[in-house]
Amino acid sequence: EIVLTQSPGTLSLSPGERATLSCRASQSVSSSLAWYQQKPGQAPRLLIYGASSRATGIPDRFSGSGSGTDFTLTISRLEPEDFAVYYCQQYGSLWTFGQGTKVEIK
Amino acid sequence: EVQLLESGGGLVQPGGSLRLSCAASGFTFSNYAMTWVRQAPGRGLECVSAISDSGGSAYYADSVKGRFTISRDNSKNTLYLQMNSLRAEDTALYYCAKGARRSCSGASCYAFDYWGQETLVTVSS
Repeated sequence: EIVLTQSPGTLSLSPGERATLSCRASQSVSSSLAWYQQKPGQAPRLLIYGASSRATGIPDRFSGSGSGTDFTLTISRLEPEDFAVYYCQQYGSLWTFGQGTKVEIK
Repeated sequence: EVQLLESGGGLVQPGGSLRLSCAASGFTFSNYAMTWVRQAPGRGLECVSAISDSGGSAYYADSVKGRFTISRDNSKNTLYLQMNSLRAEDTALYYCAKGARRSCSGASCYAFDYWGQETLVTVSS
């Protein structure tokens, strides 16, 4: 099973700041990596697939990069609605999720 | 607009059974794989089961293999999860999610592009 490790566990930032979230895979998943956003009491929402493609309706302040084992989700300027938990998921070998990064208001 | 509406959750005793349903609309259901993902209280996400567009192939996490059965009725645009021999550790929110493709190609699979709003399963005596 491929293990995904997300860092940091919690990111404390202010609105308008840049957020950089990391996801590392225990073995290569090529570009088969997605990012999801989950707000309290809501279902996860797909943000990024194929490591760098934005899903339908996702604002361009969200961007993804990386391939192989190291991936990054960047939120260029945090909006109030962006404070949430973010999960990465690999689908190169069945599926696994990372443990999540919480982006909280500083 | 894609909509996924789960139902069937509830309180059940250890060893009991439940059947979850997910009614889909807003897309051609028979053209896409479907999945069940669960989230234990305060925990992360786990894909417990997935099924191809035709229903011809299915995946189960080791934690549920032999106890859960996924199925679909493409004529009714509905996904199911039959859960037997339930354990306390199965307590979770259960989401159905739409796959972005028809099926896995070997082990190479797909992201989940739309999610339902969840149904709660509580296993307790």
